[in-house]
Amino acid sequence: DTAVSQTPKYLVTQMGNDKSIKCEQNLGHDTMYWYKQDSKKFLKIMFSYNNKELIINETVPNRFSPKSPDKAHLNLHINSLELGDSAVYFCASSQAFEATEAFFGQGTRLTVV
Amino acid sequence: KQEVTQIPAALSVPEGENLVLNCSFTDSAIYNLQWFRQDPGKGLTSLLLIQSSQREQTSGRLNASLDKSSGRSTLYIAASQPGDSATYLCAVFNNAGNMLTFGGGTRLMVKP
Repeated sequence: DTAVSQTPKYLVTQMGNDKSIKCEQNLGHDTMYWYKQDSKKFLKIMFSYNNKELIINETVPNRFSPKSPDKAHLNLHINSLELGDSAVYFCASSQAFEATEAFFGQGTRLTVV
Repeated sequence: KQEVTQIPAALSVPEGENLVLNCSFTDSAIYNLQWFRQDPGKGLTSLLLIQSSQREQTSGRLNASLDKSSGRSTLYIAASQPGDSATYLCAVFNNAGNMLTFGGGTRLMVKP
């Protein structure tokens, strides 16, 4: 039973398109995150949501819009995709203010052509 | 702003060796530190979580230590095996930031 699941696993799309990545966690955590892993494999925080409220937005272009319909879901919508958006996007969750272990999804490899 | 550094960036050892991976962080105001493993093309697997009040955690052949005051953690892998080959990532959860900050990882290759 997967704890943090993301869909799709792979996404290939053309420049200028709009796409979404979905994330769901079944751990009962109150905080969810989106991280971006670039070509050099460095992981950087994009967004953090606690109880459906945005906590962190780390200088991410406003083409990226996270949406949290409930505590168990955090989706990432990307408008007007650019070549530089190609990366692996990871969703994660934790019980933030209790500083519990963070769990990550399997990642979504986005390729913009 | 928290910065996390991992040394070495890459490591190649023969099977059976004991090895140490290093992680340092600039801001000691952390809730916890977590070590992850990432296989090529895969997600992150949590290995060990050390709370800020703890000094070390052990799981099987893995032992992680934390010295919060000096901003350092080490991951010790005993009797390394080819199956240990992966990238090992260290991440700290900041008191104020409500997020994990990652190091750049150590890419480990264990040769048979």
